[in-house]
Amino acid sequence: QITLRESGPALVKPTQTLTLTCTFSGFSLSSSGLGVGWIRQPPGKALEFLALIYGDDDKRYSPSLKHRVTITKDASKNQVALTMTNMDPVDTATYYCSTVVDKYVDDWGQGTLVTVSS
Amino acid sequence: SFVLTQPPSVSVAPGQTAKITCGGNNIGSKSVHWYQQKAGQAPILVIHYDSDRPSGIPERFSGSNSENTATLTISRVEAGDEADYYCQVWDSISDPVIFGGGTKVTVL
Repeated sequence: QITLRESGPALVKPTQTLTLTCTFSGFSLSSSGLGVGWIRQPPGKALEFLALIYGDDDKRYSPSLKHRVTITKDASKNQVALTMTNMDPVDTATYYCSTVVDKYVDDWGQGTLVTVSS
Repeated sequence: SFVLTQPPSVSVAPGQTAKITCGGNNIGSKSVHWYQQKAGQAPILVIHYDSDRPSGIPERFSGSNSENTATLTISRVEAGDEADYYCQVWDSISDPVIFGGGTKVTVL
């Protein structure tokens, strides 16, 4: 059974850097064609892809956020981290960790709400 | 980047059929995936590769994709189908994972 769990601060101030961690189990990031990604959803709005990483360290980013987002992995700990710089109130959202299999999102974490406010 | 267009809302009576469209330029040349998101919950995959149902998804859910429109069809709609539905494609040129704006399905 695959599980993903997001962790990190619930509240960050504007201009700060956000770091979220996804701890997963039930699969190996070294599996071919399987990656771990981050997707966010502002309250009442649509899903938005942020970043994706594969076991060979291949990384994909949303072009619109590439300058602010970094994704890394620690395979030994079964963890993937997302860092987003210069946080703004518009970045307030639920952030989901997920598996990406081939070309679709398969399993999702429960999500973590991050509020950006002074 | 590739844009997916969904109607904001669809209303359907119980027992009837709901059709949710996802428009995109020549979307028929891509694989389309669909997600259901109930209030306060994470999304779940209901259709992948245009028309394949993952294990555990009822046969009432089906999908099609041709030319410029992909469609998710929910037959014999139940109250429990009330949710937001998102289509998604993979675009290796721009955003790898692209979502539509979502459609809220209301069961009357």
